[in-house]
Amino acid sequence: DGGITQSPKYLFRKEGQNVTLSCEQNLNHDAMYWYRQDPGQGLRLIYYSQIVNDFQKGDIAEGYSVSREKKESFPLTVTSAQKNPTAFYLCASSIDQSRSTDTQYFGPGTRLTVL
Amino acid sequence: AQKVTQAQTEISVVEKEDVTLDCVYETRDTTYYLFWYKQPPSGELVFLIRRNSFDEQNEISGRYSWNFQKSTSSFNFTITASQVVDSAVYFCALMRDNYGQNFVFGPGTRLSVLP
Repeated sequence: DGGITQSPKYLFRKEGQNVTLSCEQNLNHDAMYWYRQDPGQGLRLIYYSQIVNDFQKGDIAEGYSVSREKKESFPLTVTSAQKNPTAFYLCASSIDQSRSTDTQYFGPGTRLTVL
Repeated sequence: AQKVTQAQTEISVVEKEDVTLDCVYETRDTTYYLFWYKQPPSGELVFLIRRNSFDEQNEISGRYSWNFQKSTSSFNFTITASQVVDSAVYFCALMRDNYGQNFVFGPGTRLSVLP
């Protein structure tokens, strides 16, 4: 089955710890994205990557880091510098990095809770 | 500035009723794209529709229909003969042309369809 997978579904972290969220896609999409969703709110863009070995900051990149070593993988690290990391994190991908207005398709999300 | 407003925070209907979800957007761009996504309790965002700003033709897909009116900057979504499986949070979103990373989401409308 083609799609986007995120793991784990639920993640708990102690304050001061870094944690990495996984996002994998087998759709052969060029572009990948990370969003954060807080209760009762829409999505906000954290980071995006249009091509392997390249990524750009979104609207709320502070306290987060990413890598894009493989086309199918775009892991997100939530660092201890992120002051309010408890949220629902969604990964997305779109077909063609040269067409920035391609429709984005989303994974099932990871719910991160800081204890 | 880009903005998407979904004034209805929560809507409850009884099964088989019709329901319309409102979406009003703000943009100064002449070319832009509008989207609707469904977020069921599982959390994954499901793509429903994409509309280009130069195409005001209304669209129907089964029980779903969309009414795009540039004159009022609205892109409303109607579900006919609602079903319990339609219960979800629905997001309207705006993407600027050539700014694919600037994907502005509305706050969402939570729809509950009661049996």
